Formats: sequence, C-alpha cells, structure tokens
Amino acid sequence: GAVVSQHPSRVICKSGTSVKIECRSLDFQATTMFWYRQFPKQSLMLMATSNEGSKATYEQGVEKDKFLINHASLTLSTLTVTSAHPEDSSFYICSASPGTAVQETQYFGPGTRLLVL
Amino acid sequence: DAKTTQPTSMDCAEGRAANLPCNHSTISGNEYVYWYRQIHSQGPQYIIHGLKNNETNEMASLIITEDRKSSTLILPHATLRDTAVYYCIVRVANQAGTALIFGKGTTLSVSS
Repeated sequence: GAVVSQHPSRVICKSGTSVKIECRSLDFQATTMFWYRQFPKQSLMLMATSNEGSKATYEQGVEKDKFLINHASLTLSTLTVTSAHPEDSSFYICSASPGTAVQETQYFGPGTRLLVL
Repeated sequence: DAKTTQPTSMDCAEGRAANLPCNHSTISGNEYVYWYRQIHSQGPQYIIHGLKNNETNEMASLIITEDRKSSTLILPHATLRDTAVYYCIVRVANQAGTALIFGKGTTLSVSS
C-alpha cells in the first residue's frame, strides 16, 4: 500500500509555544489530505480537510486560527498548533489518498503524539 | 454516510478465526463498506473494502449480506498481533476526496 509519513513522531512543548507537524505522502501525490485528533481511549475525530493550493476546510468546533493548516505541495501538508495549551495534548494523525477513483483507499500516517506541559 | 454499529469488544483465541460483525442497516446503494484497524499508538491500517460481493485479500475476508445491511470481517487465523481496535466505516462511492468518519469500533483481544 501507499506510504504516509509524519514528523515528528513525538513532541513535548511548553504551554504557549507553537508546534508544527508534517504529513508527507512518500510514493504518491495527494490533492487532499485529512487531519484527525485522537484523545486517550477515544476514536479518531476529523479536524480538517487540507486541499493543495487552497484553504483548509475545518470541522465544526475546530478553531482555524489555532490549528493552522498549509498544503503547499501535492506531497506535504503541515498542521501548526499555535499557542499550545495542555488541553491540546493529543495524538494527531493525517491521511491521504493516492487518487480520486470512487473507491480509492485512504492511507494513514503513524501519528504524532503531542504533550503540552 | 450511513451509521455503523459494532460490538464494543470481542475476544479470540490465537489461531482461531476472528469474526467481527458490523451493522449498517441504513446503507445506501452507492456506499462501500471499509474496514480499518488501529493497533495501540499507531495510525489506522487499511484492511479491506467491498460494495456487495464478498472480498478476500491477504489480511482478511469481508462477507456482506445480500441485503447489505450487515457485514462480517473475518481474520482466518488470529495472532496476538491482530489485537487492535477494528473500525467498520461506510462511505459514499463518489466521494473519494472526503474523509473517513470513525465510530467507536470493536476492540479485539487475541490471547494465547
């Protein structure tokens, strides 16, 4: 299957600082990537849809000014958590599809664990 | 997208078949059934998907009832490494550019 990577895998930061998480499709191009957040013992929650060359679409309740998404190329999307607070501590996961076929599979990155102190 | 219902948890002995059910009684004709799993602290892993015919790959088999209102994921010979949360997701076929929406899934525990 296609490979999606994330960097870093873990990050610890102080409250009030900003953290950038990268999501890369390694062997395919992705017009659209997705960002999810997962709290302990809960399911994945969709945060936003990242579109190459245009603004991201955020789910209801997700602050666009706090979670900045940039999709500058067909293989890279970044999520920046601005002015992070302890409640932003979570597991952040991205996904992407290699194409636009009606039954195209989505592939997920390994996730980034963020801890805000 | 149609909603799915899965048991919260299941147990399986190593080497035996694991049969994970999923109810999707409101599925539409153009919605596919997808299965993913998530091993602890990792990103979800694609397993299999289907529309109406049964499907099999190197990981699992997917059995979809004739009325498409339910399906079963079968892991033919479960191993300890198959311990994970399994998610059944239905998705409109012509929305490949839309996200997968995850429910609570089934926690499968495989023991020796």
